[in-house]
Amino acid sequence: DVKVTQSSRYLVKRTGEKVFLECVQDMDHENMFWYRQDPGLGLRLIYFSYDVKMKEKGDIPEGYSVSREKKERFSLILESASTNQTSMYLCASSFDSGRTEAFFGQGTRLTVV
Amino acid sequence: AQSVAQPEDQVNVAEGNPLTVKCTYSVSGNPYLFWYVQYPNRGLQFLLKYITGDNLVKGSYGFEAEFNKSQTSFHLKKPSALVSDSALYFCAVRGTTGGFKTIFGAGTRLFVKA
Repeated sequence: DVKVTQSSRYLVKRTGEKVFLECVQDMDHENMFWYRQDPGLGLRLIYFSYDVKMKEKGDIPEGYSVSREKKERFSLILESASTNQTSMYLCASSFDSGRTEAFFGQGTRLTVV
Repeated sequence: AQSVAQPEDQVNVAEGNPLTVKCTYSVSGNPYLFWYVQYPNRGLQFLLKYITGDNLVKGSYGFEAEFNKSQTSFHLKKPSALVSDSALYFCAVRGTTGGFKTIFGAGTRLFVKA
């Protein structure tokens, strides 16, 4: 069974902290994505990666960075957490960038206090 | 610019009745269209997709969707709703030109009453 695993289900961090959200997929997918989900706004793309060490900005990259050193792992980094980054973060992967469906992790609910 | 609209924040149906969750889209080129479902505190699960071919596509859990090019719609349907269908449903679209980003709608919450 295919799997996308996010390292934490719930996180509480303080304003100004550097936060790492980790995501691992076991499907040998080329593409990986980070979204944030907020009520009434749906999913908004933060960053995506189509290959190791490759990354592209999504719609809302400000305040975030990413790292993809290995094919199976895609990390989202909040350089200096702020309260407006309190949200549900979803990682996803797909075999290609458009025709095939994405597989999602269970989500990380991040609260910045 | 690509966009997806789910005009209803919430849909209420009685168990056993048919359900429809609406989605309209705007893309460059031909659309690739997807429906996902999200249960509480979970990630999204894929339901079905339209890439090409037959306008009526069938997916998981008895759901189906009809692609209508002239109306730029891709409504999700099920002939007989179950209480367990209650969840948050997302429509997503990607165009075949102008970049390969997938755009998600805001989501529609479905409540099925027993």
